Formats: sequence, C-alpha cells, structure tokens
Amino acid sequence: EVQLLESGGGLVQRGGSLRLSCAASGFTFSDYAMNWVRQSPGRGLEWVSSISNVEDRTYYLDSVKGRFTVSRDNSRNTLFLQLSGLRVEDTAVYFCAKGFRGLITAFDSWGQGTLVTVSS
Amino acid sequence: DIQMTQSPSTLSASVGDRVTISCRASQSISSWLAWYQQKPGKAPKLLIYKASNLQPAVPSRFSGSGSGSEFTLSISSLQPDDSATYYCQQYSGFSLTFGGGTKLEIK
Repeated sequence: EVQLLESGGGLVQRGGSLRLSCAASGFTFSDYAMNWVRQSPGRGLEWVSSISNVEDRTYYLDSVKGRFTVSRDNSRNTLFLQLSGLRVEDTAVYFCAKGFRGLITAFDSWGQGTLVTVSS
Repeated sequence: DIQMTQSPSTLSASVGDRVTISCRASQSISSWLAWYQQKPGKAPKLLIYKASNLQPAVPSRFSGSGSGSEFTLSISSLQPDDSATYYCQQYSGFSLTFGGGTKLEIK
C-alpha cells in the first residue's frame, strides 16, 4: 500500500522559511515523479511543484519560482520542499502526491497534508 | 497557463439521480484530463485519468468523457457516499492546473 506522510508545516512569519518533508513507502520511490499541491483554507487545489524521478528536472508554479525549491533523496524515499520568502498568500495545506505515469501527469496517491500558516 | 473552468460550482441531487459535471479547458488538452473526489478534511482521490479511464476500485457508476477542451464527469446512480467536491485537472503541460471544483450535495 502506498503511503505518503508529510511533515514540517507550522506557523511562520512573513518572509520566513520552512522545510517540508514527505516520507514515502509502499512503492519504488525512485521510479516515479513526485509533486507538491496546495490548498488554501476553503479554496481549491493548486499545483506547486514537480520533480522527475532522478531529480534532473524540476518545475514550479510561477508565483513560487525563486522562493521554493523541490528536491528528493531516493536513498531515503523522501521528498522535500524548501519554502523561503514566505507570503501570507502561501498559507495552505501542502500535499505531496505521487505521479501516476511520467512527469507531466495526474496524481494517484496523496499524503494527508501539512498546514503552513504565514502570519503578517 | 491553461485555465480550467468547472460547472456548476454546486450541485444538489437525490440518491439514484444521474448527475453530470462539466470541465472546460482554455485550449485543447487532447485527453490529458483527470478527475478527483475530495471529502472534507481528506486528500483528493484520483477517480479518472486520461479523460475516460477509471482507476481500479472506483465504482463503475462513475464515468468520464470528452476530448480537446470539453469534458464531462458523470455519476449514473448517485449514492450517499458520493457527497464530495469534485475537481478536474489538466496535465497537458506545465503549469498543471485544476478546475475550481464542484460541490455535490445529496438532498
């Protein structure tokens, strides 16, 4: 059974930083692209970032480019998202999601999410 | 970026009804469309990929259709457990984008 467990969320001031982690199990982590998707309270879903299975390609939502960095450690089956220069509008639940097939793809498994709250 | 527009934003129907949710892309995405179901406090669940392919273990009352820029999610005989918010997502290219969601309520 695929399991994704996010951690690292919390309350941070505007301009601050956080590092989110996603521990994966139940599948061959190094075979799949991984993704971050966020959801603001009471709002819809927004894709944030994707990383290819061997970490050579990364993609970002325009509004987070230069502020967020996605990475992965295939030896530890863990996905990361470094958040810096945080803005109030970055407040959201951040989900990690497993890519279904390939890099540009749907998401077939999701974690439970970790809440990031940015205060002004 | 490709914009995804869902309609309606809310929908109320009775058990046993057939319901349809629409999703329109701002440009052609071929069949690179997924549908998700999300219940309150939970992560989304992938229902359908590539416009019409049902994920394993998803009930057969769910179906998807369409190509190009117009897509539909149908539920043939609504069940109480289907109360949720449904999202479409295009994966034709980056940035990946979601529709705004359709909240389905059971009368």
